Amino acid sequence: NAGVTQTPKFQVLKTGQSMTLQCAQDMNHEYMSWYRQDPGMGLRLIHYSVGAGITDQGEVPNGYNVSRSTTEDFPLRLLSAAPSQTSVYFCASRRGTGGGQPQHFGDGTRLSIL
Amino acid sequence: GEDVEQSLFLSVREGDSSVINCTYTDSSSTYLYWYKQEPGAGLQLLTYIFSNMDMKQDQRLTVLLNKKDKHLSLRIADTQTGDSAIYFCAETSPYSSASKIIFGSGTRLSIRP
Repeated sequence: NAGVTQTPKFQVLKTGQSMTLQCAQDMNHEYMSWYRQDPGMGLRLIHYSVGAGITDQGEVPNGYNVSRSTTEDFPLRLLSAAPSQTSVYFCASRRGTGGGQPQHFGDGTRLSIL
Repeated sequence: GEDVEQSLFLSVREGDSSVINCTYTDSSSTYLYWYKQEPGAGLQLLTYIFSNMDMKQDQRLTVLLNKKDKHLSLRIADTQTGDSAIYFCAETSPYSSASKIIFGSGTRLSIRP
C-alpha cells in the first residue's frame, strides 16, 4: 500500500521554465490537495479537489494550475517558474471532507528556482 | 479570518514532559489536529479532538482543549529522542470551503540529554 506518492523528490529549475509535480494516491480518496511549506509559515493551501473533474483554489493559487482527470492523480503545474516558488511542496489526500477523516501526506517535492 | 498560531521552538530534557501550545481564532472550528513532521518526510496525523471535547488521551499523548480561550495543547509524556520533530496544530471548520484544514507554522521540538 503506497499511500500518497510524489515525484520527483527534488528538482532545480531556471526562472521561466515549466514543470509538473506529480501526485498519486491508491486509497480511492475523494479529496486531494497541494500545499507549499516555507520556513516559519506552516503549510499553505495552493489548490484542492473534492473529486475527479472538480478543482478549486486555496490560499496561494497564483502561478499554479491543477487538474483532476482521475481519482488517483492530482498533478500540480508551474507554467513559468519564479524564485518565489522555491519551496517544499506536499500533496495530501483524505477519504472525504468530514473533519474526522485523517489527511495522508506524501513525502514532499523540494523545488528550487534559480 | 482563520488563523492558527504556535511558538516556533521548544527544548525539553529527555524523560520530561513536553507541552506544545496552540491558539486559534475561528470559533466555529469543529476539529483540531496535531500533526508530526520528521526530517525529510511529510506530515503524519498524531491525534485530533472534536470541539465538544475537553481532553483526549492516547498513550503518551494528551490533548487539552480550552474552547473559551481557543487554546489547544499537546502534552507528550516521557519525551524520547524519537519525539524530535516539528509539530503542527491545525483546525477545520464546517464553514470553510470543503472543510479546508488551516495549519499553524509548526513548533520544532528538540530533545536534550
